Amino acid sequence: GAVVSQHPSWVICKSGTSVKIECRSLDFQATTMFWYRQFPKQSLMLMATSNEGSKATYEQGVEKDKFLINHASLTLSTLTVTSAHPEDSSFYICSAGWLGADTQYFGPGTRLTVL
Amino acid sequence: AQTVTQSQPEMSVQEAETVTLSCTYDTSENNYYLFWYKQPPSRQMILVIRQEAYKQQNATENRFSVNFQKAAKSFSLKISDSQLGDTAMYFCAFMKPSGNTPLVFGKGTRLSVIA
Repeated sequence: GAVVSQHPSWVICKSGTSVKIECRSLDFQATTMFWYRQFPKQSLMLMATSNEGSKATYEQGVEKDKFLINHASLTLSTLTVTSAHPEDSSFYICSAGWLGADTQYFGPGTRLTVL
Repeated sequence: AQTVTQSQPEMSVQEAETVTLSCTYDTSENNYYLFWYKQPPSRQMILVIRQEAYKQQNATENRFSVNFQKAAKSFSLKISDSQLGDTAMYFCAFMKPSGNTPLVFGKGTRLSVIA
């Protein structure tokens, strides 16, 4: 089956620093990748949709200058949390798909803790 | 816009018994996919079962089956012979008929299987 990896799985950083999270499709080409954020005991909240080679489309309320998304290749998308603050602490999950697919494939998630 | 509603925040079931999780959705689309995902404490999203809207036959995967009522926009999940490993959050999700569109999730149901 299709596999999506995320790196790192857990990151702790100081307030004011930037953190990059990678999402890779290991055995398929993902024309589209999605980034979700999940707070404890809550559902997944879509942050943005990224298509390979195009600018990401952000959901309402998501600061595009704070959450930088790059999808430079068909197998890699990155989410950079710039000038992170404690309120950015959360669980970030990516998923990947392509036109015509009948499902999407999820990465294992990244736990971000900002001190 | 599509919405997905899960009206049961928490449920519990005795080991070996059967439990049904409810999900309703709203959409103007005629073709789409519906999913049930399991999220155990590891927080990895695991696909439990998928239903294609144009298929009248209810999907089944081993102990998991759905009752898909398209006219009523209802999509419930039945877990038979519940096992301790079924303890998790369960999310109902909707997807337009292509993997390059985002999933719309319900708020989830926390299921506890009791020995």
